[in-house]
Amino acid sequence: AQSVTQPDIHITVSEGASLELRCNYSYGATPYLFWYVQSPGQGLQLLLKYFSGDTLVQGIKGFEAEFKRSQSSFNLRKPSVHWSDAAEYFCATPQLTGGGNKLTFGTGTQLKVEL
Amino acid sequence: DVKVTQSSRYLVKRTGEKVFLECVQDMDHENMFWYRQDPGLGLRLIYFSYDVKMKEKGDIPEGYSVSREKKERFSLILESASTNQTSMYLCASSSREVGVSPLHFGNGTRLTVT
Repeated sequence: AQSVTQPDIHITVSEGASLELRCNYSYGATPYLFWYVQSPGQGLQLLLKYFSGDTLVQGIKGFEAEFKRSQSSFNLRKPSVHWSDAAEYFCATPQLTGGGNKLTFGTGTQLKVEL
Repeated sequence: DVKVTQSSRYLVKRTGEKVFLECVQDMDHENMFWYRQDPGLGLRLIYFSYDVKMKEKGDIPEGYSVSREKKERFSLILESASTNQTSMYLCASSSREVGVSPLHFGNGTRLTVT
């Protein structure tokens, strides 16, 4: 079954610094991949998604992610982090069933931003 | 904009109580989901439904049941609450279209079982 792994539980960056959050996937064919963000006290919000085509995907809030088949990775990046980016970030991949799709999530990476 | 509304933000229940968590979406989505979120474990799927009166078990269905009598409403039921069901519960919905559609989440219900 498709799965994703987020190797970093916590990451701390300074405001204005660049950010890269790692996500590795396990799947034979080209996977569908998503990044979600969860701000404190909120539900999850979709940042971006990759289905096929261009391997560099742009999302909301200035985030981007790059699909690298050779590394089985879909890392999330942002060139300059803002304090409001402090949140938990989840990588996800769907498991297609006969009736629809269900998402399998990674364990999440908690981002702390130092001012 | 899609809205997924969970009826309670915080809930405190006693061991053995029957607990209902309600979720309503306003976008006529076919698919609805219940996840629980625990630190270090991410989100784990409890149950999902791809149509009215249809349900499928997720990864951790034990101790839970669900009900979907109307398209917009998906209820999670804890038949006899236990302390290990203390968690954050997230409801989500998505449309069914060719390919894969993203999930839209509610803000969660933090359940404490004492």
